[in-house]
Amino acid sequence: EPEVTQTPSHQVTQMGQEVILRCVPISNHLYFYWYRQILGQKVEFLVSFYNNEISEKSEIFDDQFSVERPDGSNFTLKIRSTKLEDSAMYFCASIPSRAPHEQFFGPGTRLTVL
Amino acid sequence: GQNIDQPTEMTATEGAIVQINCTYQTSGFNGLFWYQQHAGEAPTFLSYNVLDGLEEKGRFSSFLSRSKGYSYLLLKELQMKDSASYLCAVTSSGSARQLTFGSGTQLTVLP
Repeated sequence: EPEVTQTPSHQVTQMGQEVILRCVPISNHLYFYWYRQILGQKVEFLVSFYNNEISEKSEIFDDQFSVERPDGSNFTLKIRSTKLEDSAMYFCASIPSRAPHEQFFGPGTRLTVL
Repeated sequence: GQNIDQPTEMTATEGAIVQINCTYQTSGFNGLFWYQQHAGEAPTFLSYNVLDGLEEKGRFSSFLSRSKGYSYLLLKELQMKDSASYLCAVTSSGSARQLTFGSGTQLTVLP
C-alpha cells in the first residue's frame, strides 16, 4: 500500500540553525500539507501546497518557514533560523484531490532545538 | 474561526463500549474526521462524516449532526490496543482542505 515517507525521523539542531525536513507524498496525490504537534498539544496546520504553490497557510507559518517541491517527488519544509519553541513533531500529509478525503500522514520528524 | 471541543480523558474496560463526543463550530463545514494517535506516532484515519447520520466501520462507528455541530465516535468490544488519543478534526469548504484538530481525547482501556 502506498505511504507517505518522511526523513529524518529525528533531527537535533542548535537554536538559530537552519533545518530542512523532507517528505515524499504518495505519487498520484496533488495536495500536500505540513502539520506540527508540540509535545502534549494538539496537531496544528502549518501550510498547504498545490500546483507548486502555497494554497493556504496558518499564522504559525511566518517568514522563518518555507516549503517547496524541488523535483516533483520530494516536498520540503525549511525553518531558516530555529527557535526553542520550534521543537515539535512535524507531520507531512497528502490527499489525491480537493474532494473530501482522508489525509494520509507520514510518520513524522521529531525536531529538537537546543 | 473554528472551535472544536472534546473531553480530555476517558477510561473504559476491555470488552466494553465507549462513546467519545466532539462538538464543533466552524464556518462552511465540509466534513468531520476521526483519527487515532498512539503516543509518538502519526494520526491514522478512522472515519469520515459529511452528511448527518451514522457511519459504521467494523468496531468503530461515527455519528454526525450538522445542525447541532456534534459528532461522536463509538468504539465497541474494546481492546487494550485501543488505548490511544482520539482526534476529532473538521475541514471547511473554500479552504485547501486542511484539517483543524481538537485537542484529542486520551482513552485508557483497563483489563
